[in-house]
Amino acid sequence: GQSLEQPSEVTAVEGAIVQINCTYQTSGFYGLSWYQQHDGGAPTFLSYNGLDGLEETGRFSSFLSRSDSYGYLLLQELQMKDSASYFCAVRAITGGGNKLTFGTGTQLKVEL
Amino acid sequence: KAGVTQTPRYLIKTRGQQVTLSCSPISGHRSVSWYQQTPGQGLQFLFEYFSETQRNKGNFPGRFSGRQFSNSRSEMNVSTLELGDSALYLCASSLASKGAGLSTDTQYFGPGTRLTVL
Repeated sequence: GQSLEQPSEVTAVEGAIVQINCTYQTSGFYGLSWYQQHDGGAPTFLSYNGLDGLEETGRFSSFLSRSDSYGYLLLQELQMKDSASYFCAVRAITGGGNKLTFGTGTQLKVEL
Repeated sequence: KAGVTQTPRYLIKTRGQQVTLSCSPISGHRSVSWYQQTPGQGLQFLFEYFSETQRNKGNFPGRFSGRQFSNSRSEMNVSTLELGDSALYLCASSLASKGAGLSTDTQYFGPGTRLTVL
């Protein structure tokens, strides 16, 4: 099966940089995605890494090291609106095709 | 383009009843996945449908089932409801691709159906 680990909670101040780590164990690994979910809202896609390295999208960047089974999401110039839960998700090839397995989420609190 | 829609948004049922939830994907999206979200377990994959066929299934009991129609709309059914089935049920659609089933396409989530089992 698949398992993912990420911190349950992270607190940072407005304007700072925060890194949310994700380690995974899976066979048939295909890629790592990140999703954001505000309280009461639906998850929304942030970033995807299929290859090792850094992907940058505005204030958000995501990194993947396949050899270390590790990735992270980097949020820069934090804003209050970034307070939300962040999920890493592994896409893996299974016997029946492929499926997306989510971590339990990291709640980010941005403070003044 | 309209987003993923789910109906109903809220539902209250009692133990032993059954429930059917509906999901309309983004126009042109052929893959629909269902997830259960609870505070303790996070987002758990239920199943994925593509072209009316179940392509993947998570580790849920047979009480959980689904189907997809020719217009890509999907329904999931939970029979003999238990208290532990209380959760937010999320549907997500993606463009996906046929064949090997490999898909790196973004999952677009609907607002979810909040099911409460009393």
